[in-house]
Amino acid sequence: QSALTQPASVSGSPGQSITISCTGTSSDVGSYNLVSWYQQHPGKAPKLMIYEGSKRPSGVSNRFSGSKSGNTASLTISGLQAEDEADYYCCSYAGSSTLGVVFGGGTKLTVL
Amino acid sequence: EVQLLESGGGLVQPGGSLRLSCAASGFTFSSYAMSWVRQAPGKGLEWVSAISGSGGSTYYADSVKGRFTISRDNSKNTLYLQMNSLRAEDTAVYYCAKDLGDIVVVPAAYFDYWGQGTLVTVSS
Repeated sequence: QSALTQPASVSGSPGQSITISCTGTSSDVGSYNLVSWYQQHPGKAPKLMIYEGSKRPSGVSNRFSGSKSGNTASLTISGLQAEDEADYYCCSYAGSSTLGVVFGGGTKLTVL
Repeated sequence: EVQLLESGGGLVQPGGSLRLSCAASGFTFSSYAMSWVRQAPGKGLEWVSAISGSGGSTYYADSVKGRFTISRDNSKNTLYLQMNSLRAEDTAVYYCAKDLGDIVVVPAAYFDYWGQGTLVTVSS
């Protein structure tokens, strides 16, 4: 179960849009639409932002959107706000060889 | 209101054992898959284990397979993680997490509620 690959950090100014990538393999991200995204503020439990690749749970702002192309999933945050500054993690079913779940290494979003 | 309350963390020596518990309330516990996810100090999230609503299907990360056992008591609305042969690298905050649904074919890992976490420290 190798971790999914995310950029260590991204940044953007208020009002801008940013995209966080999450690269897996043809065995996990590429084969299944089972990607989720989590937001974690310091000292807090993670919060589900996107599931099944592009669906938003009730209460999550429509400024957050998810997509997938090939082995790479992406999280886009539009209209950046100060409170979006946090760590973001992608997550996926790891495939039939392991029957497990794998997280990405996490991306620190800084709102300038 | 959904609540997940972990307990059982603490300091344990390498090679030792510990059992974590997660008391759930505010939802029909037996209808949902549950997982344990851990986070080492200053590090990212790592999925540890998942269990189906009935308890009949369990899944483990390679890093804990053979050492940890996940279980649940649906009559007590409680999730457990028995951790044996603990290593220094198991030191982390352990979260229990509720899935959006039950495991139909494979674990989807859509965790809509999380506990506050319990710290496990493995050190001599």
